[in-house]
Amino acid sequence: DTAVSQTPKYLVTQMGNDKSIKCEQNLGHDTMYWYKQDSKKFLKIMFSYNNKELIINETVPNRFSPKSPDKAHLNLHINSLELGDSAVYFCASSPSGLTDTQYFGPGTRLTVL
Amino acid sequence: AQTVTQSQPEMSVQEAETVTLSCTYDTSESDYYLFWYKQPPSRQMILVIRQEAYKQQNATENRFSVNFQKAAKSFSLKISDSQLGDAAMYFCAYPRITQGGSEKLVFGKGTKLTVNP
Repeated sequence: DTAVSQTPKYLVTQMGNDKSIKCEQNLGHDTMYWYKQDSKKFLKIMFSYNNKELIINETVPNRFSPKSPDKAHLNLHINSLELGDSAVYFCASSPSGLTDTQYFGPGTRLTVL
Repeated sequence: AQTVTQSQPEMSVQEAETVTLSCTYDTSESDYYLFWYKQPPSRQMILVIRQEAYKQQNATENRFSVNFQKAAKSFSLKISDSQLGDAAMYFCAYPRITQGGSEKLVFGKGTKLTVNP
């Protein structure tokens, strides 16, 4: 049984397009996150939601918009994709806050051509 | 500012031997948690071990243990009896309070561990 799932796992698209990545967790956790991992493997938080409410919004371009329809889902929509958006995007969840273990999805490798 | 430092970009170890990965962090808090995550080639991030700062006893999970030195702000990971499956990127992480008052998990840049047969 997959705890945190992401779709798609791979996404190749042209510059300027709009794309979405979906994330779902079946762990009953209250908090969900989006991370970006760059080509040097550096992992940085982008957004955090707790019970559908945005609690962390790092310095991320407005082209990135998270949406949480319910506490089990946190989707990431990206408008006007740029070359620099190419990275692996990870969704994660935790029971409540950051003192808890985070459970990560398998990642989505986004390639912008 | 970087608050979690992993000074070893790459390490290698012979199968069945022991290796220690270093991590230092910067905090003014007295009660916090520290984490080591593993990312194998499959790219799945998996928790290896977690340490609570107020606990003096070092955390242990089977072959994985930490050497937590609170005063030195050091949190190293020791892998005993290394196995081929231990080959991965290892990330140290620390929850840091943002200017807005919420917490975010800050990761080090990672250490790539190679296990030689």
